[in-house]
Amino acid sequence: AQSVTQPDIHITVSEGASLELRCNYSYGATPYLFWYVQSPGQGLQLLLKYFSGDTLVQGIKGFEAEFKRSQSSFNLRKPSVHWSDAAEYFCAVGAGKSSYKLIFGSGTRLLVRP
Amino acid sequence: DVKVTQSSRYLVKRTGEKVFLECVQDMDHENMFWYRQDPGLGLRLIYFSYDVKMKEKGDIPEGYSVSREKKERFSLILESASTNQTSMYLCASSLDPRTQYFGPGTRLTVL
Repeated sequence: AQSVTQPDIHITVSEGASLELRCNYSYGATPYLFWYVQSPGQGLQLLLKYFSGDTLVQGIKGFEAEFKRSQSSFNLRKPSVHWSDAAEYFCAVGAGKSSYKLIFGSGTRLLVRP
Repeated sequence: DVKVTQSSRYLVKRTGEKVFLECVQDMDHENMFWYRQDPGLGLRLIYFSYDVKMKEKGDIPEGYSVSREKKERFSLILESASTNQTSMYLCASSLDPRTQYFGPGTRLTVL
């Protein structure tokens, strides 16, 4: 069965520091991978997605993610974090080309120190 | 921009009440979804709909039903609310089934 693991429940970084949020998935075929961000009291906003092609994907707000098949990972990165990036981040995997279903990780809450 | 709206941001109901959560999207998307979000569990799919009057169960449909009479509107119904249905409910829509756009959520408290 497909699954998504986000091993870090909370991460704290200083403003201006770099960020990496980890995501590991379990899926037999080529997955469709997503990162969403949720600000407090808000819905989820799509940051970026990977379907195929270049394994380094650029998203909105200066985020990028790299698909590594050998490690079953899709880690999210940002070179310099801003205080407004404080939020909860969810990794998700879509199972199959025509599948509607997204499997979400349990989320990582990012705190930004001034 | 895709806009998905949900009828209430906060809702308080009593045990046993019938509860309706409404979701509307303005992009003519065929697919619509209802999730619940609980701390430490991420999002879990309750139901989804791929066309008017069409629906499929997600991972946790028990205690819920849905209605889709018009393409833009997808309703989640709690027939008899219980305290374990206290949660954040998120609606999403998509054209491509894999890229979903979410509404702001409804935080439901059942007393």
